[in-house]
Amino acid sequence: DSGVTQTPKHLITATGQRVTLRCSPRSGDLSVYWYQQSLDQGLQFLIQYYNGEERAKGNILERFSAQQFPDLHSELNLSSLELGDSALYFCASSAGTPGDEQFFGPGTRLTVL
Amino acid sequence: AQSVTQLGSHVSVSEGALVLLRCNYSSSVPPYLFWYVQYPNQGLQLLLKYTSAATLVKGINGFEAEFKKSETSFHLTKPSAHMSDAAEYFCAVSAGTYKYIFGTGTRLKVLA
Repeated sequence: DSGVTQTPKHLITATGQRVTLRCSPRSGDLSVYWYQQSLDQGLQFLIQYYNGEERAKGNILERFSAQQFPDLHSELNLSSLELGDSALYFCASSAGTPGDEQFFGPGTRLTVL
Repeated sequence: AQSVTQLGSHVSVSEGALVLLRCNYSSSVPPYLFWYVQYPNQGLQLLLKYTSAATLVKGINGFEAEFKKSETSFHLTKPSAHMSDAAEYFCAVSAGTYKYIFGTGTRLKVLA
């Protein structure tokens, strides 16, 4: 158990819908990262937050947004969903120092029908 | 810019044989390098990381990796494969930014 929790574990929805994925970081970690893992794209870095502020941005679509709240949990919002958004979405946390180990949650499997 | 390349999306070894998973990186500044393992239906777990303290890094489960700057490589090895090593392995680099770039992964199959 990494100490990172993600909910829900599975999510099935339809095209055009909006969903919210939730992540609680490991106790004491200030930084949260979101990744998308799909068969054709591999593990793609989406976005990083540190202590409530956006710190780094990767290949995140404009239809996707995220935030980190004062209690340090984070939410990833996916809107106008397309079939191609079906993937595993991982959250990871770290202390936030460069080179830190990231601790990964179990992931949320999103299926868009 | 930083990048990482994993050679071989699938590797098969016999139980008891040497495991060698290849990773090459590109970075204009000294990198942090990582190997993670992902078992089916689970998140990624850190095997080991290189942070410039020593070029030969020992990790969990008997794995180790050697940082070779001249070859820009960070290959993962284990002297003797176990059935429980079957999983997907990811190399990652972080250098000069807060981003972590992951390779495309190598699926290791261990044959009885």
